[in-house]
Amino acid sequence: QITLKESGPTLVKPTQTLTLTCTFSGFSFTTTGVGVGWIRQPPGKALEWLAVIHWTDDKRYNPSLKSRLTITKDTSKDQVVLTMTNMDPVDTGTYHCAHRPHWDKPFDSWGQGTLVTVSA
Amino acid sequence: QSALTQPRSVSGSPGQSVTISCTGTSRDVGNYNHVSWYQQHPGKAPKLIISDVNKRPSGVPDRFSGSKSVNTASLTISGLQAEDEADYYCCSYAGNYLVVFGGGTQVTVL
Repeated sequence: QITLKESGPTLVKPTQTLTLTCTFSGFSFTTTGVGVGWIRQPPGKALEWLAVIHWTDDKRYNPSLKSRLTITKDTSKDQVVLTMTNMDPVDTGTYHCAHRPHWDKPFDSWGQGTLVTVSA
Repeated sequence: QSALTQPRSVSGSPGQSVTISCTGTSRDVGNYNHVSWYQQHPGKAPKLIISDVNKRPSGVPDRFSGSKSVNTASLTISGLQAEDEADYYCCSYAGNYLVVFGGGTQVTVL
């Protein structure tokens, strides 16, 4: 059974850097093709894909946010970390991490998400 | 990379069928058979209900079906049930390992 859980601050100030950790179980980055992505959702709004990291350490980012995002993995800890710089109130929302079994497959297991509020 | 276009809302009575459209471009929906659909109930994580245009993961009722024509994908819910009231999102592979989501559609069961 695949599970993912997001952790990190619930409140950040504008201009600060957000660091979120996704801790997962039930799969490993030693599995060919596997990836973990981050998707966010502002309150009452749509899902927005942010980034994905694959088993080869290949990293891809949403072009509109690429300059602010960094995704890394720690295979020994079964964790993926997302950092987003220069946070703004419009970045407020629920941030989910999700499992992707292969580069051409959809995110099939999601974490419950963590709500991040950006406010002074 | 622009969001895929979905209607804001659709509604139907129990037992009826509803169809949600998802319009993209030749760079995403039109170029790959990697369109998926997610169901999201309030306060819950999205749940994958359709992958690769028309494949249902194990456990997803067969009243959910998907299709695609050129740059538009569609999700049809046949025999609408009360528990189908939720938000639905389409998602497409957009090349170069990128993905793009739709704006979401709220389904109301009257």
